[in-house]
Amino acid sequence: DTGVSQDPRHKITKRGQNVTFRCDPISEHNRLYWYRQTLGQGPEFLTYFQNEAQLEKSRLLSDRFSAERPKGSFSTLEIQRTEQGDSAMYLCASSSTPTERYEQYFGPGTRLTVT
Amino acid sequence: AQSVTQLDSHVSVSEGTPVLLRCNYSSSYSPSLFWYVQHPNKGLQLLLKYTSAATLVKGINGFEAEFKKSETSFHLTKPSAHMSDAAEYFCVVSFSGGYNKLIFGAGTRLAVHP
Repeated sequence: DTGVSQDPRHKITKRGQNVTFRCDPISEHNRLYWYRQTLGQGPEFLTYFQNEAQLEKSRLLSDRFSAERPKGSFSTLEIQRTEQGDSAMYLCASSSTPTERYEQYFGPGTRLTVT
Repeated sequence: AQSVTQLDSHVSVSEGTPVLLRCNYSSSYSPSLFWYVQHPNKGLQLLLKYTSAATLVKGINGFEAEFKKSETSFHLTKPSAHMSDAAEYFCVVSFSGGYNKLIFGAGTRLAVHP
């Protein structure tokens, strides 16, 4: 399968714990995006990487959130001191430039439940 | 600022009847517009996209959408609904100045009845 993969698919954690999610984009894609989707809503943009550089962060990304893409391949999203409001589906997407303009391919998501 | 409004949170149709999912957008730039579909427990799948070429865009599974700049609309249609079309549909806008980040509408849940 050469699509976007995310791990884990589900995570249940207690409030105050740290969690880390991983995203593996399509191998030739240099752009990587993280989105968050809460129940009944559309996904909201969190952050964006071009290769290893993090070029934009949403105001939704509080200081407890950090994302990395150290070698311009896979990316991790860490949430420290989780809160119940962090419960959501975390989606990763990747795209290439410029031939497939603007088309982002999404992974299956990681569903986080904070108890 | 870029934004998307999906005018219906739920749409219910009978199998074999037409589907219309409505979307209006707001964009200060020439937008790119998309429709994505999300089936339960599955990832988001691109149905179709408009990127300043033909205003009538054909997508997968018989869906199409028409970009109407004067009405700032990008409604999704299908002539004949199938049971497998039941899913959540998202209208999405993007513009090149924002690193192509996608701005999603709240979604329209499509139910298809026999």
